[in-house]
Amino acid sequence: KAGVTQTPRYLIKTRGQQVTLSCSPISGHRSVSWYQQTPGQGLQFLFEYFSETQRNKGNFPGRFSGRQFSNSRSEMNVSTLELGDSALYLCASSRYRDNTGELFFGEGSRLTVL
Amino acid sequence: AQKITQTQPGMFVQEKEAVTLDCTYDTSDPSYGLFWYKQPSSGEMIFLIYQGSYDQQNATEGRYSLNFQKARKSANLVISASQLGDSAMYFCAMRGDGAAGNKLTFGGGTRVLVKP
Repeated sequence: KAGVTQTPRYLIKTRGQQVTLSCSPISGHRSVSWYQQTPGQGLQFLFEYFSETQRNKGNFPGRFSGRQFSNSRSEMNVSTLELGDSALYLCASSRYRDNTGELFFGEGSRLTVL
Repeated sequence: AQKITQTQPGMFVQEKEAVTLDCTYDTSDPSYGLFWYKQPSSGEMIFLIYQGSYDQQNATEGRYSLNFQKARKSANLVISASQLGDSAMYFCAMRGDGAAGNKLTFGGGTRVLVKP
């Protein structure tokens, strides 16, 4: 059974550019949530998508956006990159949105902004 | 608001010994879920164990067990028979109820180093 797949694994961008990260959830999972991990702030929730709709959003500026497709794959986009956006971006998938069951994470996309 | 506290920033454990990682939480939600994840240096967040707040039994998964004490709001992870491959960061996390969906709140993590 394939796990959560994130692409690309590593990328380097410069300030002002934009980036798109992709997440393919486990087959049958309809919920995809995104997290940012930095040494200073730890793991912070970005947003969650379920059935192509954003269901929940963390406290991040509008430069951070996302979407989910009909096959449950999700993308997140960060525009006008800042140095502070350098982080490991993790996505997690789950079958449901209710308070049952596990969430599984991908290997993450490590973004470096120069 | 939910809060997860992991008071041990780092610890050493001897190979083959058991280790307990502390996690306390705070929430006003009537039902919630508690998770433990392992993050090796590669960055991947590996699911270890899950405990629902209404589960009667403490969760176990192989060498991992969760010591869930609801009244104390603690959810400590016990790793039995530590192996060198257990060296990693360990995160405790909580998922709340209702509209929170699958939003997880994480603790700051505990770094474990297993010594041969």
